Amino acid sequence: NAGVTQTPKFRVLKTGQSMTLLCAQDMNHEYMYWYRQDPGMGLRLIHYSVGEGTTAKGEVPDGYNVSRLKKQNFLLGLESAAPSQTSVYFCASSYPPRGIFTGELFFGEGSRLTVL
Amino acid sequence: GQQVMQIPQYQHVQEGEDFTTYCNSSTTLSNIQWYKQRPGGHPVFLIQLVKSGEVKKQKRLTFQFGEAKKNSSLHITATQTTDVGTYFCAGPFYMNYGGSQGNLIFGKGTKLSVKP
Repeated sequence: NAGVTQTPKFRVLKTGQSMTLLCAQDMNHEYMYWYRQDPGMGLRLIHYSVGEGTTAKGEVPDGYNVSRLKKQNFLLGLESAAPSQTSVYFCASSYPPRGIFTGELFFGEGSRLTVL
Repeated sequence: GQQVMQIPQYQHVQEGEDFTTYCNSSTTLSNIQWYKQRPGGHPVFLIQLVKSGEVKKQKRLTFQFGEAKKNSSLHITATQTTDVGTYFCAGPFYMNYGGSQGNLIFGKGTKLSVKP
């Protein structure tokens, strides 16, 4: 069982370039998320999806777009990369909330992006 | 806005000493989750607490959820070098209507280092 797989794991971009990060999960989870992690800032939610064909903004959505065309895939796009987007990006997936329980997140291994 | 705060930000201990990290929410939570992230790794789910005053143990780790369901703690007894990493708490993020869509809001984490 692969769990959550992110590609690529490392990428260096120049300011203004575009790229897409791909996240794939094989656990049949409804929910998928994209977080960024910066030193001392914890995990901040960029965008999330509660099901195929749906997406919503998180805490820090500016400069990013997402798509969830298939249930198992969640793509994060940077249209015009900026140095402020240098970060480690984590994709995660989970089951929907059940009563007072919130689904535990299963994280991918992360994608380290540097924007020069 | 809704916040989850963690203290301390860093903790350095001698192997064998105890360690505690505290998590405080600005709002009452239906549950709280804890994650561990090893250096260079991704966050891994540890536990979810849902009951007021709940205490759960996992070997040397003791998790507590406050009576008011606004705070939580993680205590590690007799730390080992394998405990090194960053510990995050996370609670459900509540939408304006009061419901949760399953998103988690993370604290900034407590980074634990253990000196052999």
